[in-house]
Amino acid sequence: QSALTQPRSVSGSPGQSVTISCTETTSNVGDFNYVSWYQQHPGKAPKLMVFDVTKRPSGVPDRFSGSKSGNTASLTISGLQAEDEADYYCCSYAGSYTLVFGGGTKLTVL
Amino acid sequence: ELHLLESGGGLVQPGGSLTLSCAASEFTFINYAMSWVRQAPGKGLEWVSAISGSGGSTYYADSVKGRFTISRDNSKNTLYLQMNRLRAEDTARYYCAKVLSEYCTSTSCHHYYFYYYMDVWGKGTTVTVSS
Repeated sequence: QSALTQPRSVSGSPGQSVTISCTETTSNVGDFNYVSWYQQHPGKAPKLMVFDVTKRPSGVPDRFSGSKSGNTASLTISGLQAEDEADYYCCSYAGSYTLVFGGGTKLTVL
Repeated sequence: ELHLLESGGGLVQPGGSLTLSCAASEFTFINYAMSWVRQAPGKGLEWVSAISGSGGSTYYADSVKGRFTISRDNSKNTLYLQMNRLRAEDTARYYCAKVLSEYCTSTSCHHYYFYYYMDVWGKGTTVTVSS
């Protein structure tokens, strides 16, 4: 079973860039191609921001970008804005027809 | 605008049962797989279950397998999650979500063979398991 590790928190000032990492901690790296990222504001439903590691759904600003190197996927938010302050979760296929989420990262815009 | 509305949450005793519903609108429901995702108070997201558009294929997280049953009534555009033998650790906000079935560019479409991504979410319904 896959497990995804994210930093508990990251922060940045408006206009800066921040990167949130998501590390897959099993040996089944092959399935780590199906990585997505979700944004969740307090009290709100999650929102899909990135899928297939790098793709953005329609309507998601291009300030949000995804990447992957080895067993670590990353979400980079450039030109940080106050409205980006939220929790961010990575998600991956975990094998055996299941999905697994990372523990979540709280982004604070200073 | 695509819309999902969950209902059926509430307070239930340990060992009890509850059925959640999710009413879908503004999209062709039968064409899409659906998922349930939950979030315990102050905790992260946990994938719970998924079902194919026809309802013929279902999938579960190990934590709920054998206790929860996902189903759908395509004539009513409604998704269900029947939860039996509930435990305190099942206390959470339960979200239903539409699965992203394919990705198309200007030249081709890629159909996903599993339900990797959830592109439309409801607002959730809260389940509390407590005596």
